[in-house]
Amino acid sequence: EPEVTQTPSHQVTQMGQEVILRCVPISNHLYFYWYRQILGQKVEFLVSFYNNEISEKSEIFDDQFSVERPDGSNFTLKIRSTKLEDSAMYFCASSESRVKYFGPGTRLTVT
Amino acid sequence: AQSVTQLDSQVPVFEEAPVELRCNYSSSVSVYLFWYVQYPNQGLQLLLKYLSGSTLVKGINGFEAEFNKSQTSFHLRKPSVHISDTAEYFCAVSEGGSNYKLTFGKGTLLTVNP
Repeated sequence: EPEVTQTPSHQVTQMGQEVILRCVPISNHLYFYWYRQILGQKVEFLVSFYNNEISEKSEIFDDQFSVERPDGSNFTLKIRSTKLEDSAMYFCASSESRVKYFGPGTRLTVT
Repeated sequence: AQSVTQLDSQVPVFEEAPVELRCNYSSSVSVYLFWYVQYPNQGLQLLLKYLSGSTLVKGINGFEAEFNKSQTSFHLRKPSVHISDTAEYFCAVSEGGSNYKLTFGKGTLLTVNP
């Protein structure tokens, strides 16, 4: 069964550094998303991406964040200058309709 | 705006007992409802979904949920749990006409004890 994959599984970075989290969505899906889950809290929507542009973003998704689909398979989330509060599990998801399939997540630790 | 309330943050049960995890939602339009499960140190796995049709939906691992529009609920049930069902369960809603964005509840930690 096709699945969403994410790399790396764990990323440790220093405050102020840039990080890029990578995702490979399911191949025939058209909608792509990033969500995050701060430890002990609920899963929060960050951004949705369709037709090569952002279709919706949350208040969390400020100018420090950006997304890109650099080729036909990858979908990336970039955080330009990480803060301590960016430490969280970041989930990529893709869908062709209402049903979203999530990747295993990248645990980002900012020190 | 849509929102989801999971009233129970933790639910401890004994193996082979029945369980119900409660979920209520708030939305001004038609909704699509989901339950996801997160096993320790893993990602989110779709357990079941309600998109339309029968209000009783069945999912994987013997779970089922019933959509109740009048009570704005989508409670998850299993008649007999196993230790392997220990996990965090998230209820989520997507509004009709939205960009398919999911709003999650805070999650319910189900702990099945022997």
